[in-house]
Amino acid sequence: RKEVEQDPGPFNVPEGATVAFNCTYSNSASQSFFWYRQDCRKEPKLLMSVYSSGNEDGRFTAQLNRASQYISLLIRDSKLSDSATYLCVVKEETGYALNFGKGTSLLVTP
Amino acid sequence: GAVVSQHPSRVICKSGTSVKIECRSLDFQATTMFWYRQFPKKSLMLMATSNEGSKATYEQGVEKDKFLINHASLTLSTLTVTSAHPEDSSFYICSARPGTGLNQPQHFGDGTRLSIL
Repeated sequence: RKEVEQDPGPFNVPEGATVAFNCTYSNSASQSFFWYRQDCRKEPKLLMSVYSSGNEDGRFTAQLNRASQYISLLIRDSKLSDSATYLCVVKEETGYALNFGKGTSLLVTP
Repeated sequence: GAVVSQHPSRVICKSGTSVKIECRSLDFQATTMFWYRQFPKKSLMLMATSNEGSKATYEQGVEKDKFLINHASLTLSTLTVTSAHPEDSSFYICSARPGTGLNQPQHFGDGTRLSIL
């Protein structure tokens, strides 16, 4: 199975900090890319899709570099409620199943 | 928005019991649903792709006779863990896509936490 690699962390940051997560994928033919957020013992929830042109949603910015097979997520002005595991997710070129990274754990502290 | 309902959310059973988990798309039709499994501190791993009206497609290493999947309608897929053992204890999550576009994200059920004693 194709690999999606993430730094597991944990990333411990103070409130208000900016934090960036990175992800690499091995299948150059991958079609779609997403960041999901997973709270402890809960199901993953879609945070945002990732496009080559970049995608910004409030404090969150996602970027895709197809040439380097690299995906990033930037969180500005971190909130306590941002504490969660962030999953880098790639959809392969065939079918619709998703390939998940192991997730990066973020803890935002007061 | 698209909603996927999964039931039950928590199951605790004795070893040898068979457990059925339901996954429903509440406001859209899903010809394809997916079943994932997540062990503690591990990533979600795709177990199988459930296809309405046909046999499920299983990932390598997943026993089809152990994990029975039935997708009898466009809104319901079921996963039955047959003769469950403690090593089957895990978090099982289903997902479905409301559209056919390549970039359509999947929507997940709430997950079922299965504990086999």
